[in-house]
Amino acid sequence: QVQLVQSGAEVKKPGASVKVSCKASGYTFTSYDINWVRQATGQGLEWMGWMNPNSGNTGYAQKFQGRVTMTRNTSISTAYMELSSLRSEDTAVYYCAREIAAPTYYYYGMDVWGQGTTVTVSS
Amino acid sequence: SSELTQDPAVSVALGQTVRITCQGDSLRSYYASWYQQKPGQAPVLVIYGKNNRPSGIPDRFSGSSSGNTASLTITGAQAEDEADYYCNSRDSSGNHHVVFGGGTKLTVL
Repeated sequence: QVQLVQSGAEVKKPGASVKVSCKASGYTFTSYDINWVRQATGQGLEWMGWMNPNSGNTGYAQKFQGRVTMTRNTSISTAYMELSSLRSEDTAVYYCAREIAAPTYYYYGMDVWGQGTTVTVSS
Repeated sequence: SSELTQDPAVSVALGQTVRITCQGDSLRSYYASWYQQKPGQAPVLVIYGKNNRPSGIPDRFSGSSSGNTASLTITGAQAEDEADYYCNSRDSSGNHHVVFGGGTKLTVL
């Protein structure tokens, strides 16, 4: 079945970096954009950025510009999100999500989500 | 504007109809998609496009839109519909970015 499986929980110290993986299966990895979304405890969903696995093109929310990098390895159908200069406010669950392929100038949302990866930033 | 605004909380009596709304300038250009999230779980897409339900989503969920407001309607709310609901659309700035609403906590009484 179509699924995204993420890497396990991470504990990092302030100032460190974290790299979360998201392995796709059950569909053609390069045919759908991948988005990254995070959620702090008790808070709402926060979009971080997107990546086109075919071209490698990316776009990041202004809040994360300069700190986030989204990459992929098409040979193993895996997307990655690396966040650097971690601070306590980055403690959250991080999700990858597949974006529904839509016609140009349309947006249909995200239909497949990973299980989430908890990242804890603590000294 | 790149913001989507939702009411923080809404309640509905069991079996009744409830509408959850989402407002934002980007909704004049893009459809909203809607997600249901239960505690400790990943979000689940319930409505996308004009009014489309992914496979497995009950037909009591429906979507509509007018001007800068999108709505998610649950007709005959069930106890299992109690959850947080988020709207989401493309940012209207044209840069492929995406924005989420702040979420609505739905309580089924």
